Amino acid sequence: GAVVSQHPSWVICKSGTSVKIECRSLDFQATTMFWYRQFPKQSLMLMATSNEGSKATYEQGVEKDKFLINHASLTLSTLTVTSAHPEDSSFYICSAGSTPGLAVNEQFFGPGTRLTVL
Amino acid sequence: SQQGEEDPQALSIQEGENATMNCSYKTSINNLQWYRQNSGRGLVHLILIRSNEREKHSGRLRVTLDTSKKSSSLLITASRAADTASYFCAPARSNDYKLSFGAGTTVTVRA
Repeated sequence: GAVVSQHPSWVICKSGTSVKIECRSLDFQATTMFWYRQFPKQSLMLMATSNEGSKATYEQGVEKDKFLINHASLTLSTLTVTSAHPEDSSFYICSAGSTPGLAVNEQFFGPGTRLTVL
Repeated sequence: SQQGEEDPQALSIQEGENATMNCSYKTSINNLQWYRQNSGRGLVHLILIRSNEREKHSGRLRVTLDTSKKSSSLLITASRAADTASYFCAPARSNDYKLSFGAGTTVTVRA
């Protein structure tokens, strides 16, 4: 099956620093990747859609200058949380989709990255 | 994309029992997916059912879809402790490449 990895699995940083999270599709090429954020005991909220070779599409209310997304290759997308603050502490999950033979909206999720900003 | 609403919010059952949860949605769809999320982990795709299907099985999972009632159900038979997780549905049209998730159903299987 399709495997998506995320790195790091958890990170603790000081307020004001930037943190980069990587999302990789290991055994397939993903033209589209998605970034979600999940607060404790809540559902996943889509932050942005990342397309290889083009600018990401952000959901309403998500600051694109704060959450920088780069999708430089068909197997790697990165999310950089710039000038992180304690309210950015959350569980960040990526997913990849659009593999041939599957439904256009079937997605494979990474294991998530727990970000804690002190 | 449209969001499904899972019901109940939480479910606690004894190991070996069956667990049933429901998903309702508002507009017409082409497919509906169910995902599982173990605590602190990403989502795992369980099953996709298309709008022209009424029932689908995968191991101990049985999914039904009633497009006239705009609802779906997920049945887990002979539950195990490892089934303890949150379950989410994601209804979608064929041209929806984005998914939206509701609050999910949190299932706790007691030993």
